[in-house]
Amino acid sequence: RKEVEQDPGPFNVPEGATVAFNCTYSNSASQSFFWYRQDCRKEPKLLMSVYSSGNEDGRFTAQLNRASQYISLLIRDSKLSDSATYLCVVTPYNTDKLIFGTGTRLQVFP
Amino acid sequence: NAGVMQNPRHLVRRRGQEARLRCSPMKGHSHVYWYRQLPEEGLKFMVYLQKENIIDESGMPKERFSAEFPKEGPSILRIQQVVRGDSAAYFCASSPSGTGVMNTEAFFGQGTRLTVV
Repeated sequence: RKEVEQDPGPFNVPEGATVAFNCTYSNSASQSFFWYRQDCRKEPKLLMSVYSSGNEDGRFTAQLNRASQYISLLIRDSKLSDSATYLCVVTPYNTDKLIFGTGTRLQVFP
Repeated sequence: NAGVMQNPRHLVRRRGQEARLRCSPMKGHSHVYWYRQLPEEGLKFMVYLQKENIIDESGMPKERFSAEFPKEGPSILRIQQVVRGDSAAYFCASSPSGTGVMNTEAFFGQGTRLTVV
């Protein structure tokens, strides 16, 4: 089983749609959680950290469910510029590694 | 404040040659990480270094690969006797403290795309 699993997609949605991505992780002792965004042939960039209480940043909402070892990202009012690959990232307890999922591709069309 | 700088951006090597990839962390960051991304795959951790020390090299292949982060100058990822399977994007990241510290962000460079022909 992969340490971080994501549906690879692609998710093809029209502008203005709401889309949700899910991610599961295998190590129950993981301590930090993030969503990164990666554009084609570019470096990953932090989109947002994910906190146990859930957090929101504009059109983006992230949720963490430690009991189910599950992380989600909700994007409201999708824009064309949201088209990218979204990477679920986990830091296991007592390590300094970032463990990346393979990413979920999002394509927003006009 | 310049971001993480990697060079070269693109590197072509023939099988059997050596590849040297360089990474200058963000100003004030003393923690450096190397990740590899194979085509259509996620990023895989390779090594974590602080100045003059390798902290975690659990993701490094046992042979041909080495990394250093000297007191002065950039971090270097060195691949000896490259093979076609080494073709990938190599990303360097830096952080002000270890990413094991709760919610510490890592900033990534633009990567070096290595092609072995």
